[in-house]
Amino acid sequence: DGGITQSPKYLFRKEGQNVTLSCEQNLNHDAMYWYRQDPGQGLRLIYYSQIVNDFQKGDIAEGYSVSREKKESFPLTVTSAQKNPTAFYLCASSITGWTNTEAFFGQGTRLTVV
Amino acid sequence: RKEVEQDPGPFNVPEGATVAFNCTYSNSASQSFFWYRQDCRKEPKLLMSVYSSGNEDGRFTAQLNRASQYISLLIRDSKLSDSATYLCVVNEVGNAGNMLTFGGGTRLMVKP
Repeated sequence: DGGITQSPKYLFRKEGQNVTLSCEQNLNHDAMYWYRQDPGQGLRLIYYSQIVNDFQKGDIAEGYSVSREKKESFPLTVTSAQKNPTAFYLCASSITGWTNTEAFFGQGTRLTVV
Repeated sequence: RKEVEQDPGPFNVPEGATVAFNCTYSNSASQSFFWYRQDCRKEPKLLMSVYSSGNEDGRFTAQLNRASQYISLLIRDSKLSDSATYLCVVNEVGNAGNMLTFGGGTRLMVKP
């Protein structure tokens, strides 16, 4: 079955550590996105990528980094520079172009700093 | 000013009620529009796309008003299971490709 998979589902990080969240899709989508969601809040865009080897900063990119070496994969690294990383992280993908494109989401990774 | 704005709610309604949400967007170049549903601690899932002529899916009706730059979602005969957060999503297509922008969500609570 085609889909988008995030791992791990739960992640605990000590202060000062970098952690990497995985996002893989087998939908053959060109575009991939990372969002952050805090309790009771909407989704805020961290980074997005429209094509392999290219990505752009979203609204809250500081303290995060990404790579897009393969079409299927868009990992997100939460660095020690991110001052308040505890949140729910959602990865999404979509096709690109002048069509009515919906986004498909992974099940999310809940990151907690301990 | 936020690009996509929604009333955060919560909207507290009794079962069987009709409830409507609006969402405004600022970019007139926006190409397509969606409503997503998000349950607590889960990922958003597509509820319905919004077409220029308006579209209906069972108890749910979506409308688009390009002139006033808003979309709406109407839920008739509300069920307890409709309790969730409803996210408005706008897809802008530009030189850099697609950009999906989410509203902050509107929380609906349907009470017995």
